[in-house]
Amino acid sequence: QVQLQESGPGLVKPSQTLSLTCTVSGGSINRGGYYWSWIRQRPGKGLEWIGYIYYSGNTDYNPSLKSRLTMSLDTSKNQFSLMLSSVTAADTAVYYCVRGMGGSYRPFDSWGQGTLVTVSS
Amino acid sequence: EIVLTQSPGTLSFSPGERATLSCRASQSVSSSYLTWYQQKPGQAPRLLIYGTSTRATGIPDRFSGSGSGTDFTLTITRLQPDDFAVYYCQHFGSSPSYTFGQGTKLEIK
Repeated sequence: QVQLQESGPGLVKPSQTLSLTCTVSGGSINRGGYYWSWIRQRPGKGLEWIGYIYYSGNTDYNPSLKSRLTMSLDTSKNQFSLMLSSVTAADTAVYYCVRGMGGSYRPFDSWGQGTLVTVSS
Repeated sequence: EIVLTQSPGTLSFSPGERATLSCRASQSVSSSYLTWYQQKPGQAPRLLIYGTSTRATGIPDRFSGSGSGTDFTLTITRLQPDDFAVYYCQHFGSSPSYTFGQGTKLEIK
């Protein structure tokens, strides 16, 4: 059973860069068929897909965030990462790292527990 | 961009009753890419149903999904106390690749 765990600072200052890492256990990120994703949830709000990175390094980002986003893989550590630049209070959210399945249906089948990131000075 | 609308925002039922949750897409979507999740307070969402009607591993048959085109439904029969949560529908498509409905909160009457 794959498990995902987010890590990173819980507090980021406005205009700085939010950086999070997801450590995956129970399965390798260096194989096809899965899309390693980030999803966020603002306090009291719904879910927003941020983007994904594939094992090949290919990425797909939400257009609303694309200009500020960078995702990367570290296959030696079985980790993938998110960097979101020029953050504002609107980026305050619980950030989930998630495994998206490939194939015919494309659901998100495994989720990290989530980590709250607050943007504040 | 496909917009998913879940209405109403909150539904109230008693345990043992049957609940029907709605998800409407702004344009016709592939039923293969319509997914439902359950989220309880303080927890990550959990995959319930994918491909409109296929239950994920470990999901009881009290949960069922149906629909096509723009209208999709999640039905929960014989509501248990543990079922009261927020439910999200989600679609895989294009730009952005994944979109979510705003969620329906299922609360105990």
